[in-house]
Amino acid sequence: DQQVKQNSPSLSVQEGRISILNCDYTNSMFDYFLWYKKYPAEGPTFLISISSIKDKNEDGRFTVFLNKSAKHLSLHIVPSQPGDSAVYFCAASARQAGTALIFGKGTTLSVSS
Amino acid sequence: DAMVIQNPRYQVTQFGKPVTLSCSQTLNHNVMYWYQQKSSQAPKLLFHYYDKDFNNEADTPDNFQSRRPNTSFCFLDIRSPGLGDAAMYLCATSLDRGTYNEQFFGPGTRLTVL
Repeated sequence: DQQVKQNSPSLSVQEGRISILNCDYTNSMFDYFLWYKKYPAEGPTFLISISSIKDKNEDGRFTVFLNKSAKHLSLHIVPSQPGDSAVYFCAASARQAGTALIFGKGTTLSVSS
Repeated sequence: DAMVIQNPRYQVTQFGKPVTLSCSQTLNHNVMYWYQQKSSQAPKLLFHYYDKDFNNEADTPDNFQSRRPNTSFCFLDIRSPGLGDAAMYLCATSLDRGTYNEQFFGPGTRLTVL
């Protein structure tokens, strides 16, 4: 049973436009959410995170929005660049679970120039 | 550059033949993790070490074992690989345990079972 769901396996966007990647979760105990980015032949790298006490966190072109009532978060990339083409994983954790990160299946973003 | 290194990058083994995957880190992190990622699936935590303290996830099969002889190295042993164990195996590290500690991943080892 998936606790973290990324329902769109892929997303294609033109350079300069906004990319919106979505993630839904089912476990109401999750209190920390992360996005990881993965290029081919490399391991995932941390991109941005948000705590459940916030509803928005911004870092340069990347913004994560959290809607706790809907159990939904999204990653916005503005403007999108070809170098953003990668697999994006949403992950969540609950403090009581200790270190376990629960990942989604990932969304492959393709940004065309 | 400080990093997480996994060897080999590709491993082929035969059904039932024990195999060992290796992970090393130059970050001097206390925690090391092993994840399994099957094709088009989410990475799934198998176990982690906090220093020498081993922590197994409840649903990790007994077929999977791990060793951490020192801070820098951690090994994943698959005692009798089955076809269903073919996957990407990711090693990760973090400075400490806890929700807010960022995990740093290696590039992974892709395991094929014939």
